[in-house]
Amino acid sequence: KAGVTQTPRYLIKTRGQQVTLSCSPISGHRSVSWYQQTPGQGLQFLFEYFSETQRNKGNFPGRFSGRQFSNSRSEMNVSTLELGDSALYLCASSSEQGRSPLHFGNGTRLTVT
Amino acid sequence: AQKITQTQPGMFVQEKEAVTLDCTYDTSDPSYGLFWYKQPSSGEMIFLIYQGSYDQQNATEGRYSLNFQKARKSANLVISASQLGDSAMYFCAMREGVTGGSYIPTFGRGTSLIVHP
Repeated sequence: KAGVTQTPRYLIKTRGQQVTLSCSPISGHRSVSWYQQTPGQGLQFLFEYFSETQRNKGNFPGRFSGRQFSNSRSEMNVSTLELGDSALYLCASSSEQGRSPLHFGNGTRLTVT
Repeated sequence: AQKITQTQPGMFVQEKEAVTLDCTYDTSDPSYGLFWYKQPSSGEMIFLIYQGSYDQQNATEGRYSLNFQKARKSANLVISASQLGDSAMYFCAMREGVTGGSYIPTFGRGTSLIVHP
């Protein structure tokens, strides 16, 4: 099975711009979740989608949004970028079985200047 | 309160020796799962091992084993025969309510492991 694919790997944006990140889950996985990783805050949960519906949301401002398509692919959007949004953004997919782990992509490293 | 605590920011080990990475957790849910992930410098998080709260035996996966002490709420990762490629960040994570439903794990701050030749 192909793993979780995230594109692009690297992004450089300027403050005020917006950005869209993409994630293709493992085939058959309907749950896709997004995480922000920074040296200061560690790994923080952004949101989770299941069957095109946002099922859970972390404690992030409304500038962070996402969606999931019928083929389970997911996108994450950040509008009005701030310097503090510079981070590694990780996407993960999982099956619904309780013991199933998260399967992560390689991440998108976003730098905001 | 921290749900997952990893008290060792950095660890060093000699190649071929064993190393234990500590993880303590806090939950009132009787049904939970504990995971360990490895993150090399490339960034990808790699799943290593899983322990369910109702599992009677400690989990093992190749060179990885989990020392699960339920009463102490501890789930330490043991890596036997360390290799240079084991140098990475290691994260302990917990998922509560593993009987089904939404999946929002809580991650620790991680431990940086460096394996010396």
